[in-house]
Amino acid sequence: EPEVTQTPSHQVTQMGQEVILRCVPISNHLYFYWYRQILGQKVEFLVSFYNNEISEKSEIFDDQFSVERPDGSNFTLKIRSTKLEDSAMYFCASSDYQRMNTGELFFGEGSRLTVL
Amino acid sequence: RKEVEQDPGPFNVPEGATVAFNCTYSNSASQSFFWYRQDCRKEPKLLMSVYSSGNEDGRFTAQLNRASQYISLLIRDSKLSDSATYLCVVNNPDSGYSTLTFGKGTMLLVSP
Repeated sequence: EPEVTQTPSHQVTQMGQEVILRCVPISNHLYFYWYRQILGQKVEFLVSFYNNEISEKSEIFDDQFSVERPDGSNFTLKIRSTKLEDSAMYFCASSDYQRMNTGELFFGEGSRLTVL
Repeated sequence: RKEVEQDPGPFNVPEGATVAFNCTYSNSASQSFFWYRQDCRKEPKLLMSVYSSGNEDGRFTAQLNRASQYISLLIRDSKLSDSATYLCVVNNPDSGYSTLTFGKGTMLLVSP
């Protein structure tokens, strides 16, 4: 069964450092998302991406965050200067057109980011 | 602010029990509703969509009450493997690309 894959599974970084989280969405999907979950909290929407541009973003997704699809297969989330409060599990998700219209997403296993 | 509210639990039940979870959502314009399951420190996985007429998938039954903005999930004959956090999820219709709003989840612990 096709799946969304994410790397790294866990990254520890110092406050102020740049971090790039990588995702390979399901190959025939065109809609891509990043969500995050702070430990013990709910899953929160960060950004959606379609046709090589951001479709929607939440108030969490400020100027420190950026997304890119550099090569047609990878979908990356960059945090420019990490803060302690960026520590969370970051989930990549993808969807096809039909499922996007109903809101059904396929999630990767997540990248745990720990900022010290 | 658009929210999804759930009882956090935990619900502690013995194997074979029937257990029900409820959820309320604030955005009356939401069109799509889901129950996702999340195991500890894992990704959310779709359990089932929730349809207006109610729907059943094996031991799982989901109901939607649009007038009350209320969603429920019933699990019959609980198994140990049902132990997880159950997330109530609704789409955000204000978003052109159907972003999802998650509840915080209800934890279920099934014991032998």
